Parts: sequence; structure tokens; C-alpha cells
Amino acid sequence: SAVISQKPSRDICQRGTSLTIQCQVDSQVTMMFWYRQQPGQSLTLIATANQGSEATYESGFVIDKFPISRPNLTFSTLTVSNMSPEDSSIYLCSVSRLTGSNTGELFFGEGSRLTVL
Amino acid sequence: GEDVEQSLFLSVREGDSSVINCTYTDSSSTYLYWYKQEPGAGLQLLTYIFSNMDMKQDQRLTVLLNKKDKHLSLRIADTQTGDSAIYFCAEREGSGKSTFGDGTTLTVKP
Repeated sequence: SAVISQKPSRDICQRGTSLTIQCQVDSQVTMMFWYRQQPGQSLTLIATANQGSEATYESGFVIDKFPISRPNLTFSTLTVSNMSPEDSSIYLCSVSRLTGSNTGELFFGEGSRLTVL
Repeated sequence: GEDVEQSLFLSVREGDSSVINCTYTDSSSTYLYWYKQEPGAGLQLLTYIFSNMDMKQDQRLTVLLNKKDKHLSLRIADTQTGDSAIYFCAEREGSGKSTFGDGTTLTVKP
């Protein structure tokens, strides 16, 4: 398994501000993903964080709103820019490490719960 | 895009069996997963099944896969109050991305 640490675990933010969430993994991983889980809903993939290049965003998500960095194989950040109350959500970092069995399961951090006032 | 659907709620009595159902659309999925999310926590992998299998058993958990109907189920035997959580079905695409269902909230009554 992989141990994933996310910071902050929760925050209350003012409208119009930006917040950066950090994700640290205890070992090198091949793929890192950022998901959003809005209250009472499922997980929606925001983007795949690519090491050394620009992230790959899903439909409906753009780099200006959710800039992502991945400087190495164990660390990534997601910034939620110019926040509005609609951005209130849990943001989850997840990783997929191809083990010998190549089952491709995802490991998740505990999530960062953002509330935008 | 790919779609995964689940019923939203299930309530059972302690000691009974729980069956959570899921349908998916991507016929090329190689692996299908069940994740569990307890309140205030991230998701944890419960079990997975490879697409060429029909059934997988792991202690109290039984996963059944009907590839023809694209139907996946999770059976929890002797359900306990600690099993109360949200259960997500997920499929893995060839790109490595996973698509999740909306989650089934399981409530276990004593």
C-alpha cells in the first residue's frame, strides 16, 4: 500500500482567495490524481498530475482555476483559485502504483475539506 | 464518458447479509473495484475483481461479476455495525483513470 498525507485536512476560506493543497506520498508512484467530492456526491476526477509536465485536465476543469504541480514522483499540489462557495468540497489526492500484480487500485489521502464563505 | 451506477441507500439489520449492486458501461474495463468510505475519511480499497473472473471471495466479502450484463455486486455476510459506510463501485479505464459510482450508503441497525 501507499501512505498519503494531505495538508491541510480542512480549512475555511473567504470568497475570492486561493488555497493550495499538498499531497505527499511515502514512495514513488507512477500516477497521481486529484478528485473532488462535493457534499453527498461521488468522486469527480479533476486532473491527472504528470511528473515534469502540465497536468491533464478532465472536461469542466481548467488550469487557471485548478493549477497543479508535480515536481517529483512523491509530491503534488492542487491550488483552488479565486474560490466561491460552489468550491466547497472535499479534495482528494490519490495515487496508483503499479505493483507486480498490476491491479491498478487507487490509494487515497484523507482528503482536504474546504468550506468557502 | 464512462458511467457507473449504484443504488444510493441500503439498510440492513446486524447479522444479515448486505448486497450492493453496481452497473457499468465500459466493456474494456480490466479491473473493477469496491471502495469503502467511513465518515470523515478517505476511500479505502475493499476488494477488486479482474474482468475475466466471475466471483471472488475474501472472508465476509463476495464479489460477483456478470460481464455480459456489466453488473457487479458486493455481498457482505454477517453485516456488523462497523460496516456502516458509503461503498463505491469503480472501474478502471485503459488510461489508468478510474470512474466511480455515486456510492451506496449502508446503514446497519442493531
